[in-house]
Amino acid sequence: AQKVTQAQTEISVVEKEDVTLDCVYETRDTTYYLFWYKQPPSGELVFLIRRNSFDEQNEISGRYSWNFQKSTSSFNFTITASQVVDSAVYFCALIYLSGGSYIPTFGRGTSLIVHP
Amino acid sequence: DAGVTQSPTHLIKTRGQQVTLRCSPKSGHDTVSWYQQALGQGPQFIFQYYEEEERQRGNFPDRFSGHQFPNYSSELNVNALLLGDSALYLCASSLGGDFYEQYFGPGTRLTVT
Repeated sequence: AQKVTQAQTEISVVEKEDVTLDCVYETRDTTYYLFWYKQPPSGELVFLIRRNSFDEQNEISGRYSWNFQKSTSSFNFTITASQVVDSAVYFCALIYLSGGSYIPTFGRGTSLIVHP
Repeated sequence: DAGVTQSPTHLIKTRGQQVTLRCSPKSGHDTVSWYQQALGQGPQFIFQYYEEEERQRGNFPDRFSGHQFPNYSSELNVNALLLGDSALYLCASSLGGDFYEQYFGPGTRLTVT
């Protein structure tokens, strides 16, 4: 079965701390795509990053970095020097091929609270 | 550059009724996907419309149907509403029938009483 697990329901940190959000996925497919989205209180999901299954290169974008490891089926997200504005719910998502169609499946999300 | 817009913002319906939600995609996008997000859960994929046809569908009953118009806007219809249909309904737009870079709207909060 295709599945995304975000085991951390809620994380609370103090500003300037580093924080890592975990994402573990399951899929039988060799071709798939992984995503991270941010959902602030306004409700609108904001795209953060996309990775395809053939690209295991880690990426850094400002204070954000992503660690993709196929060996452990994980796609973790680290925020360095967290800020109050990072407070949101973060979703990891998997898009896999099923019966000729691509189907997105999301994890349950991790709520990040950054205290000043 | 107009982003994804959805209407209405909030809606309250009674069990058994029917509801229609609307979505206008981001300028230049031709693909619309719909998601249901229950409280405290991740979005669940309902279906995707591209070239005025339903292209992909998630695990939702036939009570959920949709339509895409020539201007790429879309409607989501839900018949015979159940209490469990209460959720935030998100619309996302993209290009060329794929999910590579989806832009989401603010959602429609549906409450079924």
